[in-house]
Amino acid sequence: QKEVEQNSGPLSVPEGAIASLNCTYSDRGSQSFFWYRQYSGKSPELIMSIYSNGDKEDGRFTAQLNKASQYVSLLIRDSQPSDSATYLCAVWGRAGSYQLTFGKGTKLSVIP
Amino acid sequence: SQTIHQWPATLVQPVGSPLSLECTVEGTSNPNLYWYRQAAGRGLQLLFYSVGIGQISSEVPQNLSASRPQDRQFILSSKKLLLSDSGFYLCAWNRGESEQYFGPGTRLTVT
Repeated sequence: QKEVEQNSGPLSVPEGAIASLNCTYSDRGSQSFFWYRQYSGKSPELIMSIYSNGDKEDGRFTAQLNKASQYVSLLIRDSQPSDSATYLCAVWGRAGSYQLTFGKGTKLSVIP
Repeated sequence: SQTIHQWPATLVQPVGSPLSLECTVEGTSNPNLYWYRQAAGRGLQLLFYSVGIGQISSEVPQNLSASRPQDRQFILSSKKLLLSDSGFYLCAWNRGESEQYFGPGTRLTVT
């Protein structure tokens, strides 16, 4: 059974701080990793994808991948109240699996 | 660019009534299509996926069914709704093993 684990939160950070969101996965053969942001009542929105070990930066967002530790993280720098949402980690399995496995999400609150 | 549509946006249906939710994708061909359900305060549950016309894989046996009558159209149906069918229904698409994009969703309340 493939699993993706996230702390459910809520994670509260002050405005301007760095928010750190973590995710672990069980399938060592997983190849692709994604972070989605979901505002309350809305559908998930893809914000980051990462495929190889290391860091990937996009604006205020940095995704980090460590395949040896089966660990993915998302850092949000200079957090803003508009970043308050639930963040979903998703993992694409082995080739031919056709399915993304989602974590249950971490709720982030950025306090002004 | 690609766009994914879902309708209706919201739906209130009595127990035992039928259901039909529709999803269409524009701007791409031969997408993989997915139906998810998200119950209140819960994670995403994959219900069905399709890699081509007429090809449906079911992940959760229940009173729901899916069909793909055209390349970019995916339909979720039920003959008789249960209270437990309430939730936020999301359609998604991707190409191959790439990023997956979601539609705006349908919020279904079964009364």
